[in-house]
Order: sequence, then C-alpha cells, then structure tokens
Amino acid sequence: EAGVTQFPSHSVIEKGQTVTLRCDPISGHDNLYWYRRVMGKEIKFLLHFVKESKQDESGMPNNRFLAERTGGTYSTLKVQPAELEDSGVYFCASSRERSYEQYFGPGTRLTVT
Amino acid sequence: KNEVEQSPQNLTAQEGEFITINCSYSVGISALHWLQQHPGGGIVSLFMLSSGKKKHGRLIATINIQEKHSSLHITASHPRDSAVYICAARSYNTDKLIFGTGTRLQVFP
Repeated sequence: EAGVTQFPSHSVIEKGQTVTLRCDPISGHDNLYWYRRVMGKEIKFLLHFVKESKQDESGMPNNRFLAERTGGTYSTLKVQPAELEDSGVYFCASSRERSYEQYFGPGTRLTVT
Repeated sequence: KNEVEQSPQNLTAQEGEFITINCSYSVGISALHWLQQHPGGGIVSLFMLSSGKKKHGRLIATINIQEKHSSLHITASHPRDSAVYICAARSYNTDKLIFGTGTRLQVFP
C-alpha cells in the first residue's frame, strides 16, 4: 500500500506569487488533513476533508489559502498571493476513519522570499 | 500557554540509556498520539492511545487520563533513535490534533 505522497517536496517562490501544493492520500482513506509548521513553532491544523467535503476549515489562516479535494481523491492547497509568513512545512495526513490513526506525508517545504 | 506541552525540548543521551519524554495537555481528549520525525524525514505515527500503556519494541507509551499526562519511554536507546518526538492530542470536542512543540533527541554512541 503506497503511503501519503506530497508534491512538490520543496518550493521557493517570491512574495506575491501563487503556489499550489498537492497531497495524494492513501487509497481508500476518506479523511484528509492539512497541517503546517512555521518557523520554530508547533505543527498546526489547517483543515479536514471527509471525501470531497470540508469538514473543518477553522485552522485556515486567511482567505489567501484555498483547499480543494475534487472527487474525494487528491487534494490541493493553493496560496495566492503568498506572503513571507507563509513559509514553513506543509504536511498532509490521511485516515480511513476520523478516530483512526493518521498517516502523514513527507511534507512540502515552502519558502517565500 | 500551549494546550499541549512537552518536556524536555532537547535531550541528549548516551547509547543504552533509558529515555523519557513527557507530554501534558489541558484539553479534553479522545486520544493521544506520539509521532516521530527523523532529520529530513517525514512524520511517522508511533502510538495512538486513549488509556493505559502500549509497547512496541523498545518504545513504551503511557497515559494517565486523570492527570492529563503521557510519557514516551525508550529503553536501551540507540543512535538511530535520534529524531524529533512529537506529542499530539486529539481534541474530544473538535476532533482536531493539537501538537506539542516536539522534543529533539540525540543519542550518541
């Protein structure tokens, strides 16, 4: 069984540009989560999909962030326009059921210059 | 004050030593997760527990629900155990994971 994959592994963009991060969950996992860790801080929850529906997006920092999960498979997280404070590592995780163990992807390191 | 606190933040040990990492939380939880991240690597789930104790190889995780405290123990530590260990509480109300800041462990031969 393939694990959670994320693309790209690293992205360097200039302030004001747009970046789209992708997450492919484990096949059959309806629950997909996005998290991020910014410089020196703890990992924070961004949002949770159940299939294609946003179950909880209370952690999204502002309206420059847009997450989608069309068809309930892979998910994208778009940052537009990117700001310096968006730099960090963005993790995706998936689980079969909400109360089950979450499997994390390797993360995407985003650097905004 | 964070809802999930870990201690220590940094820990060094000699190979073979017994390691304890502590996690305290202030929210109601449905489960407590222990995660591991090796340098340059992804996050791996070690344990998910809601009561008592779990053991996997040289790793042991315990939780005391009344005291809102969990510990991760590593017996006979090895340099390959060097990693960041993260405690995360699953909120009973919101079902979200709330993370501690992590404990960076270095085990020297």
